[in-house]
Amino acid sequence: QVTLTESGPVLVKPTETLTLTCTVSGFSLSNGGVGVSWIRQPPGQALEWLAHIFSSGRKSYKTSLNSRLTISKDTSKSQVVLTVTNMDPLDTATYYCSRIVEGVTSNGFDIWGQGTMVTVSS
Amino acid sequence: DIQMTQSPSSLSASVGDRVTITCRASQGFSNALAWFQQKPGEVPKLLIYAASTLQSGVPSRFSGSGSGTDFTLTISSLQPEDVATYYCQKYNDGPLTFGGGTKVEIK
Repeated sequence: QVTLTESGPVLVKPTETLTLTCTVSGFSLSNGGVGVSWIRQPPGQALEWLAHIFSSGRKSYKTSLNSRLTISKDTSKSQVVLTVTNMDPLDTATYYCSRIVEGVTSNGFDIWGQGTMVTVSS
Repeated sequence: DIQMTQSPSSLSASVGDRVTITCRASQGFSNALAWFQQKPGEVPKLLIYAASTLQSGVPSRFSGSGSGTDFTLTISSLQPEDVATYYCQKYNDGPLTFGGGTKVEIK
């Protein structure tokens, strides 16, 4: 069974750095041809894609947030980590991770984690 | 980045109506376009991928079409359980942008 589970702090202060972890099971981050994205959703607002790491290790970021985002993976721990620097109250959102099987036959982001709500407040 | 613009942003229709949502990309790309359904308080659910392929388990009243810059999600006969917000997303490469969403309600 394929699962993704997000974890991280519930509350962070403005200017702090947020570190979120996505722990996956049921597939490999090292040789499975699977990539993982982070997506967020502020309360009552739309989905916003943030960052993606391909199975090759190549990374892609939302251009407007590129300077604040870092995505990485630890294949031995089956984890994908997202850091967001200089957090602001506008970064308050539910943060999701999701996987995509790569290639021409990809069916897109088919499995999502349950999400983790992060509030930015002093 | 390629921008994805959905229209309308919201709609209200009667049970049994045919509903159409459009998604327009600022630049053309492959058919790597997906549609998601998100009900309040729930995780987004994949409905359609590759612009027109129905994900396993999704009712056949949902269909997708389009290519290049213009894509469409159609609900052939709206049901009460279809009340949700629908999002398109490009997933081929580079920034994997979502559309702004379309909220569907029952009249």
